[in-house]
Amino acid sequence: EIVLTQSPGTLSLSPGERATLSCRASQSVSSSYLAWYQQKPGQAPRLLIYGASSRATGIPDRFSGSGSGTDFTLTISRLEPEDFAVYYCQQYGSSPTTFGQGTKVEIK
Amino acid sequence: EVQLLESGGGLVQPGGSLRLSCAASGFTFSSYAMSWVRQAPGKGLEWVSAISGSGGSTYYADSVKGRFTISRDNSKNTLYLQMNSLRAEDTAVYYCAKPPPYGDFNWYFDLWGRGTLVTVSS
Repeated sequence: EIVLTQSPGTLSLSPGERATLSCRASQSVSSSYLAWYQQKPGQAPRLLIYGASSRATGIPDRFSGSGSGTDFTLTISRLEPEDFAVYYCQQYGSSPTTFGQGTKVEIK
Repeated sequence: EVQLLESGGGLVQPGGSLRLSCAASGFTFSSYAMSWVRQAPGKGLEWVSAISGSGGSTYYADSVKGRFTISRDNSKNTLYLQMNSLRAEDTAVYYCAKPPPYGDFNWYFDLWGRGTLVTVSS
């Protein structure tokens, strides 16, 4: 199965700053079938990005995804207070689908 | 409103059994493959099992194969997960999750339930 490694584990930033989160796959992700989720404490994950770069319905344009092959990036252009959360990547190009271990974006 | 609502979690002893349910509403349930995804306390997400829209095909993670059984009742718009021979490492919040309209059993999820906590402990 494909192992996804997210970095950094924790990102300490201030509101208004840019956040860059990385997701690296152990082998190439077919057709850029990679998604990103946001999760806040006590809540279910929320879909942000699918197909590596397509924003889900209702997701603000400060969230963007990029990458292909084995290297993918989620960028939050300017952090809003509600963006401080844990972010997970998921690949669905190979079975079984797998998730990264998460990156926590915390307030500095 | 489109939603998923899990139930059936609780405290169970190692070796015990539990059945989780997920009630779906607001969409044509039988048209979608459905999945269970779990999250151990303070940990990341792990896909557990999936089932086709008709219920004719099922899929399992190696960690639960032979112990868990996924099923569905499309007349009741309900997804189930029968969990047997439970272990401490099965302790987690269990979410049911739905793919988008064109997705299949191995896809991303655009709708998640709130989850139900399963604790395996003596």
